[in-house]
Amino acid sequence: SQQGEEDPQALSIQEGENATMNCSYKTSINNLQWYRQNSGRGLVHLILIRSNEREKHSGRLRVTLDTSKKSSSLLITASRAADTASYFCATDVRDDKIIFGKGTRLHILP
Amino acid sequence: KAGVTQTPRYLIKTRGQQVTLSCSPISGHRSVSWYQQTPGQGLQFLFEYFSETQRNKGNFPGRFSGRQFSNSRSEMNVSTLELGDSALYLCASSFGRASYEQYFGPGTRLTVT
Repeated sequence: SQQGEEDPQALSIQEGENATMNCSYKTSINNLQWYRQNSGRGLVHLILIRSNEREKHSGRLRVTLDTSKKSSSLLITASRAADTASYFCATDVRDDKIIFGKGTRLHILP
Repeated sequence: KAGVTQTPRYLIKTRGQQVTLSCSPISGHRSVSWYQQTPGQGLQFLFEYFSETQRNKGNFPGRFSGRQFSNSRSEMNVSTLELGDSALYLCASSFGRASYEQYFGPGTRLTVT
């Protein structure tokens, strides 16, 4: 079974709207990361949030982490066509393995 | 600074053959990790090497192996290829542990026929 699972599996929104995707995991983690993958740039690191942090910002990205619920959310504000991609959460479990979720496919409509 | 490079980019092999994939990490990065990506299973961790030592291993059969050289370059080998090994194989490097920010290469697309 997957350690990290993103929700929803797919999301379509209008350009300019905000996009929110969630990640749930099963075991305790050291940190959680979000990555983006599109055909043009491959897999790119977006943001890392440590287990003792609750919120982190990077440009138009906001990540929250709730360790009591074992969940994280990624918010992309003012979406652009270039944000069309798959988004993955990756968790660093206690034995230092990196486990990726299956991703959320985000499509920004013009 | 040059990014992570992987060779070859595309590969077609026949069942039963073996294959070796290569990865050159970003200069100064000592950790190299390998992942298999398929539509059905998503991104799955294969193994991580740090300073020529395998530091961690995913749940893959022994047909999958790897090594890291003193210059941090890494190779991954798959023996006795099966149809199910068809996938995108991604290499990632990081300065320290793989749990830190990883930089991914473009991947090697392996097709087994």
